[in-house]
Amino acid sequence: QVQLQESGPGLVKPSETLSLTCTVSGGSISGYYWTWIRQPPGKGLEWIGHIHYSGTPTYYSSLKSRVTISLDTSKNQFSLNLNSVTAADTAVYYCARVLSNKDFWNGYSFSFDSWGQGTLVTVSS
Amino acid sequence: QPVLTQSPSASGTPGQWVTISCSGSGSTIGSNTVDWYQQLPGTAPKLLVYRNNLRPSGVPDRFSGSKSGASASLAISGLQSEDEADYYCAAWDDSLNVVVFGGGTKLTVL
Repeated sequence: QVQLQESGPGLVKPSETLSLTCTVSGGSISGYYWTWIRQPPGKGLEWIGHIHYSGTPTYYSSLKSRVTISLDTSKNQFSLNLNSVTAADTAVYYCARVLSNKDFWNGYSFSFDSWGQGTLVTVSS
Repeated sequence: QPVLTQSPSASGTPGQWVTISCSGSGSTIGSNTVDWYQQLPGTAPKLLVYRNNLRPSGVPDRFSGSKSGASASLAISGLQSEDEADYYCAAWDDSLNVVVFGGGTKLTVL
């Protein structure tokens, strides 16, 4: 049973960089996409982006200029960096494993089957 | 504004059958599969239904998903008090090349 655990600072100052790491245990990082999702307090889920184990990331359009997702296969970890943060970036940040599929009849499928517990990051001076 | 549209709330009594809807477009649900997530209070979301109508191991068969055109539904039969949670739909968006979520539906068991 794969398990994911987010780690990183819980408080980040405005204009600085939010950096989080997700450690994967009980399974290999190879062969899957891995994703970051966030949830502002009292609000819904927002997809940030994902990265394939081969190293190609895809980011949500509104965050694209500020976000970087990277993999460290040697440590079975992947990371999120979000720069120039503001109070609007305050949220619970989740990492998750992605089950992906594409076929002619059903199109794309990116399903998040294993999640970390989430970590609250507050942007405040 | 979420790309996928869900009613903000739904309710039912124990034992009842409840449906939660999710409306998208041709570039989202109309072209790709839909997933449903259950988020119990204070916890991480959990995959409930994937690829329109498949259930991960351990998810009761009281939960079922369906899709028609650019809309999808999650049905819960034999409603139980522990089903009280927020439910989110999600799909790939071919136009934006991103995963999009619905705004979530808060299910209350009366």
